Amino acid sequence: EAGVAQSPRYKIIEKRQSVAFWCNPISGHATLYWYQQILGQGPKLLIQFQNNGVVDDSQLPKDRFSAERLKGVDSTLKIQPAKLEDSAVYLCASSTSGTSAGQFFGPGTRLTVL
Amino acid sequence: AQSVTQPDIHITVSEGASLELRCNYSYGATPYLFWYVQSPGQGLQLLLKYFSGDTLVQGIKGFEAEFKRSQSSFNLRKPSVHWSDAAEYFCAVGKAGGGNKLTFGTGTQLKVEL
Repeated sequence: EAGVAQSPRYKIIEKRQSVAFWCNPISGHATLYWYQQILGQGPKLLIQFQNNGVVDDSQLPKDRFSAERLKGVDSTLKIQPAKLEDSAVYLCASSTSGTSAGQFFGPGTRLTVL
Repeated sequence: AQSVTQPDIHITVSEGASLELRCNYSYGATPYLFWYVQSPGQGLQLLLKYFSGDTLVQGIKGFEAEFKRSQSSFNLRKPSVHWSDAAEYFCAVGKAGGGNKLTFGTGTQLKVEL
């Protein structure tokens, strides 16, 4: 079974530029998550999708971050414009529906904002 | 609000020695508890999870964890550590009926001395 795929793996941009990350979840997983992991911290949930609807985006900085999951499969997370404090690893995870389902994580995208 | 505390930022053990990583959670009801491991440059891999029933749960790679409600703890253990276990370990708590949303601790970095 293929895991969660993410691209790119690394990205370096200047502040005020825009950037986009892509995630392809495990086939059949209805729930998709985007996390931000700052160095030395645990992952923090940015947004959760159930199929193509948003379940929780309470910690997404909506003035600069946006995410979509068209057709309930792939998802894209965008930052525009980027700030220095956005430097982090952005993790995508997916799971089947149901509270007891564990989440499966992709390798992440390491973003450096200069 | 739910929270997780991992009091040890770094732990060093000798190969072959036993290991215990501490995790304390704060949650008003029965939590769902998870341990994940993250190797450098990799995403998070699920080691084990607790939902209900037997308070001692077995996971992959020889790890186990024990849920102690009276102590609000979910400590991770391994009887004999291998050099390949060197990684960062994250404890996470989820809310029953909360749609899989997880809150992570800040992680414990494990170093294994040969």
